[in-house]
Amino acid sequence: AQSVTQLGSHVSVSEGALVLLRCNYSSSVPPYLFWYVQYPNQGLQLLLKYTTGATLVKGINGFEAEFKKSETSFHLTKPSAHMSDAAEYFCAVSEGSSASKIIFGSGTRLSIRP
Amino acid sequence: SQTIHQWPATLVQPVGSPLSLECTVEGTSNPNLYWYRQAAGRGLQLLFYSVGIGQISSEVPQNLSASRPQDRQFILSSKKLLLSDSGFYLCAWSVGGSGEQYFGPGTRLTVT
Repeated sequence: AQSVTQLGSHVSVSEGALVLLRCNYSSSVPPYLFWYVQYPNQGLQLLLKYTTGATLVKGINGFEAEFKKSETSFHLTKPSAHMSDAAEYFCAVSEGSSASKIIFGSGTRLSIRP
Repeated sequence: SQTIHQWPATLVQPVGSPLSLECTVEGTSNPNLYWYRQAAGRGLQLLFYSVGIGQISSEVPQNLSASRPQDRQFILSSKKLLLSDSGFYLCAWSVGGSGEQYFGPGTRLTVT
């Protein structure tokens, strides 16, 4: 069975500082991995995804994530936080094209201090 | 390009009243469709998903039901709402490939 663990339900960083949101997954097959962002009272928006190939994946808004199979991790980073990055972030995993469902983590709320 | 619509955007309903939330997708064929609920400050709970017309899988026993009368239409219903049905309801779609899902704008339901 697949699962996703997001470490830290709330992360606070200063504007301009590095953003690091942690995600570990469990999967019995090579996983497809995703990061989503949710702004207040809105739906989720896909930030980036890893399927196969290059393990460093670049997404929208300057975010990137690295798939590390040995660590079963898919942490999300951004070199310099902006006030507009304040939102809820969800990591998710699926078993790929044959899967009809994906498993979401519990989410991490990112706050940005001025 | 594909778009997903949900309505209404907000809804306030009394306990015991019926519910009907609608979701439609444009620009794609035979999508997988999903209903999720987010309680305040909580993560996503998958309620139902559908891989085709008339095919509904329920993830959580509850007071709600779902139907898919057309390929790109997904409806969430209840005959009698409970206070615990309050939350933010999200519809999503996916098609093959890597299975990523694309979400609608959501419906904020408050049961009073």
